[in-house]
Amino acid sequence: GAGVSQSPSNKVTEKGKDVELRCDPISGHTALYWYRQSLGQGLEFLIYFQGNSAPDKSGLPSDRFSAERTGGSVSTLTIQRTQQEDSAVYLCASSTGVGPTNEKLFFGSGTQLSVL
Amino acid sequence: AQTVTQSQPEMSVQEAETVTLSCTYDTSESDYYLFWYKQPPSRQMILVIRQEAYKQQNATENRFSVNFQKAAKSFSLKISDSQLGDAAMYFCAAPGEKLTFGTGTRLTIIP
Repeated sequence: GAGVSQSPSNKVTEKGKDVELRCDPISGHTALYWYRQSLGQGLEFLIYFQGNSAPDKSGLPSDRFSAERTGGSVSTLTIQRTQQEDSAVYLCASSTGVGPTNEKLFFGSGTQLSVL
Repeated sequence: AQTVTQSQPEMSVQEAETVTLSCTYDTSESDYYLFWYKQPPSRQMILVIRQEAYKQQNATENRFSVNFQKAAKSFSLKISDSQLGDAAMYFCAAPGEKLTFGTGTRLTIIP
């Protein structure tokens, strides 16, 4: 596609339910990133993929969070047994590579997750 | 660990005036890019400007320019002739395998 696509745009769920957030990166982008943005806060790194591998999972807040990427394309972020503190905007970004000389991240519009 | 500090949570500026947003960072990399992203209420992160660390010349994009001080690890954003459409959250981002973002500066434009 022309840009990074995330779905759903908004998700309301009950505490304790599982949710899946989807990211479809720009075609040909090998790197994919997930960030979390709590209300009025900066971007908190969660995980990134290079191809289908996740070299850095250090940002995942707990073992309730997991992510996968298949075919070097679409990624799914899964949150199990959601808690109210999981409420945030989840942003996905993709790029042509990784590292400090990576030229640019392209972001999706995010998924607003609300846990009641 | 990489750190990025934006010390101004909120800034305001009169329309048509100039405002500078500050950012400092820490990195052990020698060659890297730095970025300023804008996030309007739509949530879409938009790249405003980027700076290549090995270039001494400060980057400029129309009304947006940076003051990059590599030794001081400082990377401020100057917005000239501020417009109502510039109102947004602005995030500085610093290098590494994963981009590290600051906590943001909310910019308000006063008509």
